[in-house]
Amino acid sequence: SQQGEEDPQALSIQEGENATMNCSYKTSINNLQWYRQNSGRGLVHLILIRSNEREKHSGRLRVTLDTSKKSSSLLITASRAADTASYFCATAAYQGAQKLVFGQGTRLTINP
Amino acid sequence: ETGVTQSPTHLIKTRGQQVTLRCSSQSGHNTVSWYQQALGQGPQFIFQYYREEENGRGNFPPRFSGLQFPNYSSELNVNALELDDSALYLCASSLSGQERTDTQYFGPGTRLTVL
Repeated sequence: SQQGEEDPQALSIQEGENATMNCSYKTSINNLQWYRQNSGRGLVHLILIRSNEREKHSGRLRVTLDTSKKSSSLLITASRAADTASYFCATAAYQGAQKLVFGQGTRLTINP
Repeated sequence: ETGVTQSPTHLIKTRGQQVTLRCSSQSGHNTVSWYQQALGQGPQFIFQYYREEENGRGNFPPRFSGLQFPNYSSELNVNALELDDSALYLCASSLSGQERTDTQYFGPGTRLTVL
């Protein structure tokens, strides 16, 4: 079963605009990670935020984490056509194995 | 490029057959995890191998099994294939132990089609 729910399921914006994707989860976590996937290929790691962090930045990416609401958001600023992909949040809680639990993803389309 | 490789890229099998998928982990990593991603869904954790032993397992039946070798590469074996096994199979490598990395680095995946 999948822990995360991502919202929206699909997002279409114009190049240059900002894109915001949200992720909610159900259980306690150690960290939350965001991945990108192009056309059914492998996952590319974007950013990791730990449970004791509230905000993190990496280039044009900004991630927030609210553990009281069990939610996270990913903001991509100044979007480019190359940002078109599916974006997944994944939560990690170490119970023996270092297991990632993924949401169903947001399909982002950047229109030129 | 993550340095994680998988083979083959694509595979077509018929129901009831057996399949073996292979993964080479990133240099320096000692842990391999396998995920199944059905079309339009997020990846689901199958199992993880650390020091050649299964270190955790998701909700998958015993006909899904694996191996990890001394060089940390890994195999995923699926017996008695069913139509629902059609999916993208992803492996991810990471480092466990005192120098643990929390990030998992994914390979490009193997697309399995069961007819």
